[in-house]
Amino acid sequence: DIQMTQSPSTLSASVGDRVTITCRASQTVNNWLIWYQQKPGTAPKLLIYKTSSLQTGVPSRFSGSRSGTEFTLTISNLQPDDFATYYCLQYNTYWVFGQGTRVEIK
Amino acid sequence: QVQLVQSGAEIKEPGASVRVSCKASGYTFTSYTFSWVRQAPGQGLEWIGWISTSSGNTHYVQKLQGRITLTTDTSTSTAYMELRSLTSDDTAVYYCARDDGGGITDAFDIWGQGTLVTVSS
Repeated sequence: DIQMTQSPSTLSASVGDRVTITCRASQTVNNWLIWYQQKPGTAPKLLIYKTSSLQTGVPSRFSGSRSGTEFTLTISNLQPDDFATYYCLQYNTYWVFGQGTRVEIK
Repeated sequence: QVQLVQSGAEIKEPGASVRVSCKASGYTFTSYTFSWVRQAPGQGLEWIGWISTSSGNTHYVQKLQGRITLTTDTSTSTAYMELRSLTSDDTAVYYCARDDGGGITDAFDIWGQGTLVTVSS
């Protein structure tokens, strides 16, 4: 089974910061990697699909990249609305989520 | 607009079964598949199953095999998730999600609002 190791579990940052969240797959998932944002009490929201494609309506300060089996979500110029929990999801073999990264106010 | 509306919260005793519904609107139901995802209190997201709305084919997470059944009713554009032999470990918010597999995003692009299932005696 594919495991997705997401880090860090919590990240403290300030408005205007550049933050990076990483997901490492236990084996290749090609580019079949998605990023979601979730706020308390609400359903996840699609941010990025196929590793680096921005979902319609998502601000361009969000970006995704890949190096081998390591995937990165970068938020440049962090905004107040960005404080939330972020999850990666691989779908190369069935679907497996990372454990989540909570981005909190420093 | 495109939306998924789920049934309301449930409280069940251990050993019981629960069925959660997810009614789709605003798009052609059979053009997309569905996945179901759950989230235990304070925990992360867990994919639990997938169903094709056209063929009825399903895939389930191994840990729930034998206890979970996903179905769809194309006449009412509704997807269902049934979970049997409930334990306290099944207490969670259950989400349905439209799966754009093979489409533009290949992602779970539209989500229901979630249904809280509480298992307690």
